Amino acid sequence: SAVISQKPSRDICQRGTSLTIQCQVDSQVTMMFWYRQQPGQSLTLIATANQGSEATYESGFVIDKFPISRPNLTFSTLTVSNMSPEDSSIYLCSAGQGRTEAFFGQGTRLTVV
Amino acid sequence: RKEVEQDPGPFNVPEGATVAFNCTYSNSASQSFFWYRQDCRKEPKLLMSVYSSGNEDGRFTAQLNRASQYISLLIRDSKLSDSATYLCVVGVTGNQFYFGTGTSLTVIP
Repeated sequence: SAVISQKPSRDICQRGTSLTIQCQVDSQVTMMFWYRQQPGQSLTLIATANQGSEATYESGFVIDKFPISRPNLTFSTLTVSNMSPEDSSIYLCSAGQGRTEAFFGQGTRLTVV
Repeated sequence: RKEVEQDPGPFNVPEGATVAFNCTYSNSASQSFFWYRQDCRKEPKLLMSVYSSGNEDGRFTAQLNRASQYISLLIRDSKLSDSATYLCVVGVTGNQFYFGTGTSLTVIP
């Protein structure tokens, strides 16, 4: 199994600003993913972070709003840009290898005021 | 249509009861199947993988029916500590995972 460290664990941000969330894995992983979990909801995949290439975004999510970096096989960042209160949510990164299970970071609880 | 659908509940059961959760998935090319558990304000954690042959881990039994595109989780002899949200998760090509909305379980003393 992989251990994933995600930070910050929580933040309160002003609307119009941006927040970058970091995710560090203790081993090299092929795939990293970013999810959003809104209150009372399940996880929604934002994008797949590919090492050495641009992230692949799901319908409803765009690179300008959620730019992602994946500089190596153990690290990724997600930026929530030009935030509005609707972006208040929990953001989770996860890592997976092939068909094995995904492991999650502890999540970032974001509140936009 | 959602990739993964499951009854959100809530399920409120007494201690010692047996409870079953069901989940259906839409993509016939799905390759991997899991049940995750998510406690309040925590990240999801793997409970168990699900195989076509079915698998059991203590009080928990998971089943997969590929023909019907259906996954189940059975919890026997429920404990108070089983109270959580149970997420059905399906892995598709490209190593993407899709999550059901989760089923809320509360075990009552």
